[in-house]
Amino acid sequence: ETGVTQSPTHLIKTRGQQVTLRCSSQSGHNTVSWYQQALGQGPQFIFQYYREEENGRGNFPPRFSGLQFPNYSSELNVNALELDDSALYLCASSLEREGQTQYFGPGTRLLVL
Amino acid sequence: GENVEQHPSTLSVQEGDSAVIKCTYSDSASNYFPWYKQELGKRPQLIIDIRSNVGEKKDQRIAVTLNKTAKHFSLHITETQPEDSAVYFCAAYTSGTYKYIFGTGTRLKVLA
Repeated sequence: ETGVTQSPTHLIKTRGQQVTLRCSSQSGHNTVSWYQQALGQGPQFIFQYYREEENGRGNFPPRFSGLQFPNYSSELNVNALELDDSALYLCASSLEREGQTQYFGPGTRLLVL
Repeated sequence: GENVEQHPSTLSVQEGDSAVIKCTYSDSASNYFPWYKQELGKRPQLIIDIRSNVGEKKDQRIAVTLNKTAKHFSLHITETQPEDSAVYFCAAYTSGTYKYIFGTGTRLKVLA
């Protein structure tokens, strides 16, 4: 059984650019959630994808968008990057969408200059 | 909106002592409460969880208690060891919302 993987591990962008982060869910998991973790803070829920559809969203603007593919891997896209978007972006997969144990990936550290 | 408060933000204990971290949640419908340990530069890892139909759960040196009336749950680590040093996060989940609300974290230092 393979764990959750994310790519890239680190990324540097400038303000106004766009970024795409990728997540491969754990084998057999059909649900992926994305989180933003600022330095010294807890993870903040961005959204969840279940069977290729967005299933729940936190307090993030529409410039944060995502996709889930038939193999349940997922992408997080952020447009018009702002300095405050600098953070660790974590994805977590679970067996189903409802109240299941989440397994986190190692994260992508994004720096916006 | 939903909120989870976590205290203390930092905690230092001597090796072998116990550590207690407390969380309070705002949504009375929350029904699943995991605890994660995050070491520096690493991913959060689930260490224990509890569902709302249970008041207490134990796994070796780690235990979690839940008081639904007070909307309060706590992590207890006994016989602490230096490798317990990390940041611990609590979270609350409500069925149908599909989202976990995390606390702000507790940095635990176990002094040898």
